[in-house]
Amino acid sequence: QVTLRESGPALVKPTQTLTLTCTFSGFSLTTTGVSVGWVRQPPGKALEWLALIDGDDDNLFSTSLRPRLTISKDTSRNQVVFTVTNMDPVDTATYYCVRIHSSGWVDNWGQGLLVTVSS
Amino acid sequence: EVVLTQSPGTLCLSPGERATLSCRASQSISSNYLAWYQQKPGQAPRLLLFAGSTRATGIPDRFTGSGFGTDFTLTISRLEPEDFAVYYCQQYSESFTFGGGTKVEIK
Repeated sequence: QVTLRESGPALVKPTQTLTLTCTFSGFSLTTTGVSVGWVRQPPGKALEWLALIDGDDDNLFSTSLRPRLTISKDTSRNQVVFTVTNMDPVDTATYYCVRIHSSGWVDNWGQGLLVTVSS
Repeated sequence: EVVLTQSPGTLCLSPGERATLSCRASQSISSNYLAWYQQKPGQAPRLLLFAGSTRATGIPDRFTGSGFGTDFTLTISRLEPEDFAVYYCQQYSESFTFGGGTKVEIK
């Protein structure tokens, strides 16, 4: 059974860096083509794709947010770490960790973590 | 960037009725690299369809995907009470983007 769980702060101040960790089980990032990524959803708004990383350490980022994002993995601990720099209140959202099938669709979602940006 | 535009924004229907949701891409999506998701309040989205028309595991056959190129459709043949939710399309042909969503609400 595939599970993903997000962890990190529920509240960050403007200009701070957000660091989120995704801990997953039921699969390995060494499985060919499987990626782990992040999607966010501001309250009452649509989903926004952010980033992914695969077993070869290849990554892909949202074009609009690329300068602010980093993603890395610890394969031995089944974890992916995601950071967003210079947080702003408009970055307030539920952040989902997701598993991405080798072909590109999201086949598993974490429960999500609401992160609020406020001073 | 491929922009996905979903319409209508809200669909008001009764149980038993047919729902037709549209997803239009700003450029052609190759090989039908399009997925559909369902999201209920307070829950993470759930995969319904991938490759334009292939149902994910456990998805009932009242959910049907169709289309190609820039125009895609999700059809729910007869709405069940549990189908009232928000639906998103996603393309994975060129990077990844989601549409703005269509809310299917009870009339």
